[in-house]
Amino acid sequence: DAGVIQSPRHEVTEMGQEVTLRCKPISGHNSLFWYRQTMMRGLELLIYFNNNVPIDDSGMPEDRFSAKMPNASFSTLKIQPSEPRDSAVYFCASSYQGVSYNEQFFGPGTRLTVL
Amino acid sequence: QKEVEQNSGPLSVPEGAIASLNCTYSDRGSQSFFWYRQYSGKSPELIMFIYSNGDKEDGRFTAQLNKASQYVSLLIRDSQPSDSATYLCAVNTGGFKTIFGAGTRLFVKA
Repeated sequence: DAGVIQSPRHEVTEMGQEVTLRCKPISGHNSLFWYRQTMMRGLELLIYFNNNVPIDDSGMPEDRFSAKMPNASFSTLKIQPSEPRDSAVYFCASSYQGVSYNEQFFGPGTRLTVL
Repeated sequence: QKEVEQNSGPLSVPEGAIASLNCTYSDRGSQSFFWYRQYSGKSPELIMFIYSNGDKEDGRFTAQLNKASQYVSLLIRDSQPSDSATYLCAVNTGGFKTIFGAGTRLFVKA
């Protein structure tokens, strides 16, 4: 299995630009999570989907952030407009919510730098 | 009170010693407990999970769970410099959401 795939791995952009992060979950997994990690705040859950439906987006910091999951194999996290304080590593994780214990598997992350 | 608490460390142990990492959680309904290892600049990697009271062993790693005390720990025997990383405790309360602790930095001295 290829694991969770994220792109791009690194993104450098200027303040005010739109940023789109992409994620392909592990095949067969039915839940997908977007996290943000910084030194100051640690790993923060932004939003999660189950069966392509957003379940809880209470972690999304502002309306500038939006996420979609149009099908079981693809999700995007968009920031528009981006700000320097959005600089962080963004992780996507997937899991199978069922009779297992809901262990999550993380992608390699996207390191975002907003200048 | 944070939902999942860990000592941030760093915890420093000599090579070959036992490293003990601890985690407490606030939700008594929590059902599954996970330990992730994160090397600097890398993503969290699942190393253990446990769901019933007692010990669970996997190689040099042992996870311990005490639901009455709301406490979960990870023991690393024969610690190696390659074990130096941040260890994240994560707790699932049932359903979709898993709460992560802030992590404990472990440093194994050669």
